[in-house]
Amino acid sequence: SQQGEEDPQALSIQEGENATMNCSYKTSINNLQWYRQNSGRGLVHLILIRSNEREKHSGRLRVTLDTSKKSSSLLITASRAADTASYFCATDQRGSNDYKLSFGAGTTVTVRA
Amino acid sequence: EAGVAQSPRYKIIEKRQSVAFWCNPISGHATLYWYQQILGQGPKLLIQFQNNGVVDDSQLPKDRFSAERLKGVDSTLKIQPAKLEDSAVYLCASSFIPGFQYFGPGTRLTVL
Repeated sequence: SQQGEEDPQALSIQEGENATMNCSYKTSINNLQWYRQNSGRGLVHLILIRSNEREKHSGRLRVTLDTSKKSSSLLITASRAADTASYFCATDQRGSNDYKLSFGAGTTVTVRA
Repeated sequence: EAGVAQSPRYKIIEKRQSVAFWCNPISGHATLYWYQQILGQGPKLLIQFQNNGVVDDSQLPKDRFSAERLKGVDSTLKIQPAKLEDSAVYLCASSFIPGFQYFGPGTRLTVL
């Protein structure tokens, strides 16, 4: 079963606007990762946040993690047309030593020019 | 560095036929994963290898799916016989650092 659930399912924004998507999960985790998938392509790793971290930045990306609420958010600032893609959160469950990732169903982001 | 390679990129078969997918991980990556991604869903892990041994195949439908990783490098995933519901993108990933996976471009399978 998929542990993470993204919200919203789809998001349409104007170029230059910010895009925010959320991920909720059920069990305790070691870390949480965000991936991007362009249409017809494989997944590209964006950012990893560990369970003892609360916020992380990478370029125009900002990720937060609230382990008490079992939720994470991904913010893309100053969006570009090239950011059009599906975004997935993936969790690595605490206590597992085989580093399996459980993916959510993803948020589809469309950036309009 | 070269990424994870997969072939073929696309495959169309009729139900009850057989199909095989190939994956070449990044050199030196001991862990290899096969995922199934149905349209509109996130990837679902089918099988995980550590070198040439299976770590987890609990989600692999073993009556029709099989996978092997000879010599701990390349891997093949086979479906025999295929069903309509097997239509999906099959993703291969590899990792060196635990939990940090690099994905290939995937093979899009259409079963008619």
